[in-house]
Amino acid sequence: DVKVTQSSRYLVKRTGEKVFLECVQDMDHENMFWYRQDPGLGLRLIYFSYDVKMKEKGDIPEGYSVSREKKERFSLILESASTNQTSMYLCASSQGTQPQHFGDGTRLSIL
Amino acid sequence: GENVEQHPSTLSVQEGDSAVIKCTYSDSASNYFPWYKQELGKRPQLIIDIRSNVGEKKDQRIAVTLNKTAKHFSLHITETQPEDSAVYFCAASSQGNNRLAFGKGNQVVVIP
Repeated sequence: DVKVTQSSRYLVKRTGEKVFLECVQDMDHENMFWYRQDPGLGLRLIYFSYDVKMKEKGDIPEGYSVSREKKERFSLILESASTNQTSMYLCASSQGTQPQHFGDGTRLSIL
Repeated sequence: GENVEQHPSTLSVQEGDSAVIKCTYSDSASNYFPWYKQELGKRPQLIIDIRSNVGEKKDQRIAVTLNKTAKHFSLHITETQPEDSAVYFCAASSQGNNRLAFGKGNQVVVIP
C-alpha cells in the first residue's frame, strides 16, 4: 500500500518565519504534488514535480517554493509566512498516469 | 487551464436512497476523471476513476458516467449508508494523472 507521510499534522508559526513542510513517499513515485485545502475552495495545486530537482508551478505558487533533492522527498517552503497562508496542506504522489495518493495533511496556523 | 465545477455543494439523502453529484469541465482535451472521498479529518482517498475511452464504470454501489460531448461526469451512489457521509471531490486532467484540477467539493450527508 502506498504510504505518503507528512512530517507534522499540526504546526503553528509566526508571521515572517521561514516554514518547511516535508513530505516523503515510499513507493518510488515519479510525481509529487503540494496542494492547499481551504473551506469552499477545494484543493488547489501549489507546485508539483515530475522528477528529482524538477519543479513546476501550479495554480497558486505565489509565496511558496519547493525542493526535491531526492526522489522520495518533496518539501514545501514558505519563505516568509503570512497569515493568509494559514491552511491545510496536502501532499500527494503518483507514478506515471496512475492515481494520486494523499498524505494525512498538515494543518498550518500562522499567527 | 482546466476549470472544474461541482454541483450541488451540499446534498442530504435518506439512508437507502441514491445520491448523484455532477461535475462539469472546460478543457475538451481532458481525458482522466477521478473521484475522491474525504471523511472528516482524514486524507482524500480515490474511490473511482474513469478515462475518456469509456462512458461508464461501476464498482459495487458506486458508478461514474462520462459525457464527453457535454463535458460533464457524474458520481452515482446507490443504497446510501451513513458511512457514505463525507466530502466528495471530482477532478479532471488532460495530462494523464500528472496534474489534476479539482472541483470545490460536495458535502454528502446520509440521514439514518
